[in-house]
Amino acid sequence: DQQVKQNSPSLSVQEGRISILNCDYTNSMFDYFLWYKKYPAEGPTFLISISSIKDKNEDGRFTVFLNKSAKHLSLHIVPSQPGDSAVYFCAASGTAGTASKLTFGTGTRLQVTL
Amino acid sequence: GAVVSQHPSWVICKSGTSVKIECRSLDFQATTMFWYRQFPKQSLMLMATSNEGSKATYEQGVEKDKFLINHASLTLSTLTVTSAHPEDSSFYICSATQGWANNSPLHFGNGTRLTVT
Repeated sequence: DQQVKQNSPSLSVQEGRISILNCDYTNSMFDYFLWYKKYPAEGPTFLISISSIKDKNEDGRFTVFLNKSAKHLSLHIVPSQPGDSAVYFCAASGTAGTASKLTFGTGTRLQVTL
Repeated sequence: GAVVSQHPSWVICKSGTSVKIECRSLDFQATTMFWYRQFPKQSLMLMATSNEGSKATYEQGVEKDKFLINHASLTLSTLTVTSAHPEDSSFYICSATQGWANNSPLHFGNGTRLTVT
């Protein structure tokens, strides 16, 4: 049972344009969401997060939007750069102590072309 | 920034042997460490949660006698794959955190690619 879903396995975007990566979840107990970036043969690195009390969080070129009613979140990267090419994982967690226990999506491979 | 070192980065072993993977937090004390497994084109699946000085908590479907986890200190956790079989071939990643709060950063190691022949 995949509780966090990234339905697009890959995405290609031209440099300078906006990249939009989508993520859906099914567990209503999730209240904290994160995006990670992963290069081949490396561990994921944290990008940005959002709590369920917010609907938007921005950090430089990265913005995460959360729509709780739709159980949907998205990561916007603007402008996209070639160095952004990587696999992006959306992750979610609930509360009660083990909040860092994350459930990951399957990832979306972003390719930023020149 | 906080660094998590995972060793080895890759290992090939014969079926029936055991393999130990180490996860170290280099510049912080990790109250909790997590072990994940990733099969090709799939998401990272949490295997177990490890707290220093106590027994690990395993996720449903993960055999605790096969995947032995030891968290002997605040900077080291080990995962031992016992009696490895080809189906255990996967990418294993550890992560570590200093705290329990929702916004405690989670730092990942670079992973270990295990191939069982």
